[in-house]
Amino acid sequence: DTGVSQNPRHKITKRGQNVTFRCDPISEHNRLYWYRQTLGQGPEFLTYFQNEAQLEKSRLLSDRFSAERPKGSFSTLEIQRTEQGDSAMYLCASSPTGGGSNQPQHFGDGTRLSIL
Amino acid sequence: AQTVTQSQPEMSVQEAETVTLSCTYDTSESDYYLFWYKQPPSRQMILVIRQEAYKQQNATENRFSVNFQKAAKSFSLKISDSQLGDAAMYFCAYRSSGAGSYQLTFGKGTKLSVIP
Repeated sequence: DTGVSQNPRHKITKRGQNVTFRCDPISEHNRLYWYRQTLGQGPEFLTYFQNEAQLEKSRLLSDRFSAERPKGSFSTLEIQRTEQGDSAMYLCASSPTGGGSNQPQHFGDGTRLSIL
Repeated sequence: AQTVTQSQPEMSVQEAETVTLSCTYDTSESDYYLFWYKQPPSRQMILVIRQEAYKQQNATENRFSVNFQKAAKSFSLKISDSQLGDAAMYFCAYRSSGAGSYQLTFGKGTKLSVIP
């Protein structure tokens, strides 16, 4: 168990640019989640995958956001035409499907996005 | 929609003493899961303890225990024999038990300081 891995750890970009983050879940975890955490707040749910299928999307996930999980392994989160309000920590988590529905989510270190 | 409220933005405790962090939630569901997560500065969020709503017995994990009051919709975390390593942000989280619903709803967090 190597944990959930997120890259990059930090991303600084100019407003209007596109950015892409990557998440590698714990191996054999079929479920993968993306959350956004702004300063002084708890994480807010963005989207959820089971294997390669995106099953839940929050209203926070505007048209500028897109997430993929090809082949049900790693996932990418892309933000197009970034805005100041996109500055946040983007957290990825994963959980297994076995062992009951109360399996906890294991979080990565996050990617901190700063928009100049 | 479910909401989670943590009314204590900051708390402090003397090393070796006991502290209780408060959490209340609002839901119309009868079955759900509750979690406490710990987020140390610049480090990943880790699960501290979890509780299934259908279980009357309060969960315990070593020095961590909860006081789950279902009727009052209250889920407080007690940390006994506090250690310096307990200093962190603590987030209370709610998850529905409904099929296909795996997103966590977090509170805003409580920052715990441990005084040597």
